[in-house]
Amino acid sequence: NAGVTQTPKFQVLKTGQSMTLQCAQDMNHEYMSWYRQDPGMGLRLIHYSVGAGITDQGEVPNGYNVSRSTTEDFPLRLLSAAPSQTSVYFCASSYGLGGTYNSPLHFGNGTRLTVT
Amino acid sequence: TQLLEQSPQFLSIQEGENLTVYCNSSSVFSSLQWYRQEPGEGPVLLVTVVTGGEVKKLKRLTFQFGDARKDSSLHITAAQPGDTGLYLCAGAIDSNYQLIWGAGTKLIIKP
Repeated sequence: NAGVTQTPKFQVLKTGQSMTLQCAQDMNHEYMSWYRQDPGMGLRLIHYSVGAGITDQGEVPNGYNVSRSTTEDFPLRLLSAAPSQTSVYFCASSYGLGGTYNSPLHFGNGTRLTVT
Repeated sequence: TQLLEQSPQFLSIQEGENLTVYCNSSSVFSSLQWYRQEPGEGPVLLVTVVTGGEVKKLKRLTFQFGDARKDSSLHITAAQPGDTGLYLCAGAIDSNYQLIWGAGTKLIIKP
């Protein structure tokens, strides 16, 4: 059972480039989300989805796009990378809503992104 | 703005010592979760507390939820090098799909 799989593990971009961070889960979870983790700031929610075809913004959505065409996949797109987007990005999924009591979050192992 | 303040931010102690990590907020949570994260990996759930005053034990780790469900603590007895990691707390509010995350406590246990 693979759980939540993120690719790539590392990525270096130049300012202005675009890229897609991939996330796939094999647990048939309805809820999926993207977080960024920066030192001293904890995890900040970028976008989330409560099911295929449904997405919504989190705390820090600017500069990122998402789509959810299938239950399994939830890619995160950086439209025009900026140095402020240098961070570690985590994808997470859960059976129910957002990590509530009955639905703990399952995280991938992250993508470390550097924008120069 | 809902905040979850975690303290201390960093703790380095010798193997065998005891320690406590705190999460405090002015918000009332329906539940609160504790995660541990090791370098290069994503956070992994340790425990979820739901009821005010609830105490849960996981081997040498003791988790407590405050009576008013605004705060929580994690106590580790006789810490071991394997306890090293980043400990994160996250509070859930029923009316919101978004968890409120603490900034984390980086714990180092020296052999």
